[in-house]
Amino acid sequence: NAGVTQTPKFQVLKTGQSMTLQCAQDMNHNSMYWYRQDPGMGLRLIYYSASEGTTDKGEVPNGYNVSRLNKREFSLRLESAAPSQTSVYFCASTHTRQGYYGYTFGSGTRLTVV
Amino acid sequence: GESVGLHLPTLSVQEGDNSIINCAYSNSASDYFIWYKQESGKGPQFIIDIRSNMDKRQGQRVTVLLNKTVKHLSLQIAATQPGDSAVYFCAAKKTGSARQLTFGSGTQLTVLP
Repeated sequence: NAGVTQTPKFQVLKTGQSMTLQCAQDMNHNSMYWYRQDPGMGLRLIYYSASEGTTDKGEVPNGYNVSRLNKREFSLRLESAAPSQTSVYFCASTHTRQGYYGYTFGSGTRLTVV
Repeated sequence: GESVGLHLPTLSVQEGDNSIINCAYSNSASDYFIWYKQESGKGPQFIIDIRSNMDKRQGQRVTVLLNKTVKHLSLQIAATQPGDSAVYFCAAKKTGSARQLTFGSGTQLTVLP
């Protein structure tokens, strides 16, 4: 059981380049999330998908787009990368068991924009 | 909205001692709380959770205490081991917000030999 798989693990982009971060989960979870983690600022929600076919903005959506391709996969796209998007990106998912709301996280993508 | 903050960005403890990591939240409507552990280069991992109708919950070597009056929760780690060195996050969920968690900024726990 792989859990949440993110690719790539590391990426360096030049300002203005685009890229897509991939995320897949094999736990049959309905909800999926994209967070970014910056030093001293904790995890900030970029976008989330409560269920297949739906996506919503989180706290810091500017400069990003997402696609919930199917129940397993949720991708994050940077159309024109900026140095301010240098961060560690985490994908997470959660199931719908009543009373439990914890997320399972992937291992992260460390992105540097130069 | 909700904000979640940890009291100390860093904490150092001697191996074998007990560790206490504190967290405060702002929204009295928060009804569910989680502690996560994040080791260097890895994603956060679930440690323990607690619902707002509880004051205390225990796991293996860990205890979470919730004080709703002052909107404070703490994570206690008994007999701290070198493998406990990591960043610890608390997270809170607001009633009715489905499954959106708000995370604190984390406390780096260092276990000294």
